[in-house]
Amino acid sequence: AQKITQTQPGMFVQEKEAVTLDCTYDTSDQSYGLFWYKQPSSGEMIFLIYQGSYDEQNATEGRYSLNFQKARKSANLVISASQLGDSAMYFCAMREPYSGAGSYQLTFGKGTKLSVIP
Amino acid sequence: DTGVSQDPRHKITKRGQNVTFRCDPISEHNRLYWYRQTLGQGPEFLTYFQNEAQLEKSRLLSDRFSAERPKGSFSTLEIQRTEQGDSAMYLCATLNITALNTEAFFGQGTRLTVV
Repeated sequence: AQKITQTQPGMFVQEKEAVTLDCTYDTSDQSYGLFWYKQPSSGEMIFLIYQGSYDEQNATEGRYSLNFQKARKSANLVISASQLGDSAMYFCAMREPYSGAGSYQLTFGKGTKLSVIP
Repeated sequence: DTGVSQDPRHKITKRGQNVTFRCDPISEHNRLYWYRQTLGQGPEFLTYFQNEAQLEKSRLLSDRFSAERPKGSFSTLEIQRTEQGDSAMYLCATLNITALNTEAFFGQGTRLTVV
């Protein structure tokens, strides 16, 4: 069974500073995918970034980058130059391995609440 | 708007009533999912469709819950005889997967409150 652990219930960061949100995962599969989503108070889940387990380069999307350390089974999200609008819940998720026949459902962590301080 | 769309955004219902939610997926994505998110938790998988076929259901999906995806387009999730424990955010997601990449997008969610 897959498991996602986010050990930081809440984080504070000063505006314009960088912040790292931790995510560790547990799987015995070799092929998997990792996601980060942002959930503002409105409730929608906004896709931020994706990393495939076979991708050799860390994924980047604008101010978001994923620090993927496969041997340590960690997939931390780094947000550079934090903005007030970054205040939200952040969820790490894992997709089932690619096999052609799976459901590919996502397993989520419990989330980290990020607060950006002016 | 070509994203995932859910309706309604909010629903307040009395215990014992039936409710139905709708999800309109990204048209290019043939996989559609329903998730439930309770307060302080991450979303949990409920059920999955590939085109019109419902291929997997979670243990969380009691017999009061039913989901459909007629013609492989929009999907509905119905909860019969609602209970206070059904109060949650219900999220719809669609997914497109290849060997090299996965796209998984969520709708805005339907927040259900059972009083």
